[in-house]
Amino acid sequence: GQQLNQSPQSMFIQEGEDVSMNCTSSSIFNTWLWYKQDPGEGPVLLIALYKAGELTSNGRLTAQFGITRKDSFLNISASIPSDVGIYFCAGTTSGTYKYIFGTGTRLKVLA
Amino acid sequence: GAGVSQSPSNKVTEKGKDVELRCDPISGHTALYWYRQSLGQGLEFLIYFQGNSAPDKSGLPSDRFSAERTGGSVSTLTIQRTQQEDSAVYLCASSFPKETQYFGPGTRLLVL
Repeated sequence: GQQLNQSPQSMFIQEGEDVSMNCTSSSIFNTWLWYKQDPGEGPVLLIALYKAGELTSNGRLTAQFGITRKDSFLNISASIPSDVGIYFCAGTTSGTYKYIFGTGTRLKVLA
Repeated sequence: GAGVSQSPSNKVTEKGKDVELRCDPISGHTALYWYRQSLGQGLEFLIYFQGNSAPDKSGLPSDRFSAERTGGSVSTLTIQRTQQEDSAVYLCASSFPKETQYFGPGTRLLVL
């Protein structure tokens, strides 16, 4: 099925470092979501974005809805070991229930 | 709890057997989704239910896959004559219509 291009695919970082990941689409989206999936669990919603240019924070996480409406970014500041997991972006166009999911960014934090 | 629940959490079966996976959505959520997540991959949409409307089955990979939602609540995903390539995590999510989805913990299916 159709998927978003999410990068990087995986990353190792030192504890305390900041992390950036992004998602790009060939289609214009009206909603962007960012999820985190811990090993053996289902994805958990982190941040939802509904407006182009919107910048939203949730603790150490900040996500932005790209101005072109074809991309979104997630930043994690001062990473800690529990940030380990897979981060997924998801997007949808207005009036539809079908979300398209990215392939995920696998984050590993070295203490 | 108030979240989406799925059962069983793990299922090991032999090739050719049928399996049933269950999803209990969040109370009040009228929309229910099934996804498949293969090892190291993203989420693949399978099927969508909304209220009493006909389900969107466009993501089901073959006619061996089917799903029901009884009484607008609990849903069952059935895979007949399982194949090894069916091994994956099957995730269920629920939501209010066109709103953000909340996922269950998934059922990990292994077909030997």
